[in-house]
Amino acid sequence: EPEVTQTPSHQVTQMGQEVILRCVPISNHLYFYWYRQILGQKVEFLVSFYNNEISEKSEIFDDQFSVERPDGSNFTLKIRSTKLEDSAMYFCASSDWSYSGATDTQYFGPGTRLTVL
Amino acid sequence: AQKVTQAQTEISVVEKEDVTLDCVYETRDTTYYLFWYKQPPSGELVFLIRRNSFDEQNEISGRYSWNFQKSTSSFNFTITASQVVDSAVYFCALSDVIQGAQKLVFGQGTRLTINP
Repeated sequence: EPEVTQTPSHQVTQMGQEVILRCVPISNHLYFYWYRQILGQKVEFLVSFYNNEISEKSEIFDDQFSVERPDGSNFTLKIRSTKLEDSAMYFCASSDWSYSGATDTQYFGPGTRLTVL
Repeated sequence: AQKVTQAQTEISVVEKEDVTLDCVYETRDTTYYLFWYKQPPSGELVFLIRRNSFDEQNEISGRYSWNFQKSTSSFNFTITASQVVDSAVYFCALSDVIQGAQKLVFGQGTRLTINP
């Protein structure tokens, strides 16, 4: 069964360093998303991406964040200068187009746990 | 603004008991989707169900059932004859139905512990 994959599973970095989190969405999906979950808290939307551009972004997704689909399979989240409060689990998700005209169910990857020291 | 409330932070039951997880939502949209996701101790988010706001029929899938009531803005999830493997955090989520990408708004989650 197709699934979303994410690498690495755990990333440790020093404050101020740049990190790139990688995702391979389900191959025929058209919409891509990043969410984050601070330990013990709810899952929060960061950004959605369609047709090579950002569709919507949250207040969390400031200038330190960027997303890219560098090729036909990968979808990346870059944090330019990490802060302690960026420590969280980052989930990638993807969805297809449904016949109702709206996007279909979002399927999530296993997450990347980012620890900023 | 859309909001999802899962008032039960933690629930603990003994195996084989039935358990209901509550979810109450707020939205101004007339058309929307509701979801339940399971987050086992391994951390991934597993899709369980999606329900369109026009479809108020209850759904049953094995030991899982969902009760959607638009009148009370609730979408509750019941596990019948619970098993230890059901132990996880369960999230209810809401999205609006618009053309294009849709963001999910999650509740705080309910941590369910099934004791042997």
